[in-house]
Amino acid sequence: GAGVSQSPSNKVTEKGKDVELRCDPISGHTALYWYRQSLGQGLEFLIYFQGNSAPDKSGLPSDRFSAERTGGSVSTLTIQRTQQEDSAVYLCASSLVRGENEQFFGPGTRLTVL
Amino acid sequence: GNSVTQMEGPVTLSEEAFLTINCTYTATGYPSLFWYVQYPGEGLQLLLKATKADDKGSNKGFEATYRKETTSFHLEKGSVQVSDSAVYFCALRVISSGSARQLTFGSGTQLTVLP
Repeated sequence: GAGVSQSPSNKVTEKGKDVELRCDPISGHTALYWYRQSLGQGLEFLIYFQGNSAPDKSGLPSDRFSAERTGGSVSTLTIQRTQQEDSAVYLCASSLVRGENEQFFGPGTRLTVL
Repeated sequence: GNSVTQMEGPVTLSEEAFLTINCTYTATGYPSLFWYVQYPGEGLQLLLKATKADDKGSNKGFEATYRKETTSFHLEKGSVQVSDSAVYFCALRVISSGSARQLTFGSGTQLTVLP
């Protein structure tokens, strides 16, 4: 079956522009995570959605970052006024429910801020 | 807080050599431990996991044992292959009431296996 998909696979933008990254989780997965993979910081948790509950935003690095999940499925991560330090690979993962269920990762979106 | 310290790479081995990648952790509560692998051009994949002390996770010839007394989860393989070339991430997750249960990752270890 289809795995987690993300789009675009690559995004190059200019400093100060806004970007939107999309994640399509595996059908039926109620939990969705965003992570960021960067050279200086490794793999960091950003935000978590579970069903209709309020998201856990504790990993977002600044108020320029936001995310939403519509209809409990597709999620969009938005970065406003991008900075060069936002350059990273943004990974999305989904799982059935919280707990020991495996998180399945998408291929990521490589963001480059010039 | 939670953290994972992982052996820094890169690691270069010849085919059929023995592999060890060290991983130690600090956690509040009782973590589950994981090894993820990222092959070139692919997404992160779960390699193996262990959910309690003394558990051994194994997959594709790789093994790791959850050692609570040394807070470690070292990855081992007796005979590596060229196809094992990838980046390996150690990770933990603490399940507690109200938490997001996100993964906390180590910095990753690049493994290159030469024929």
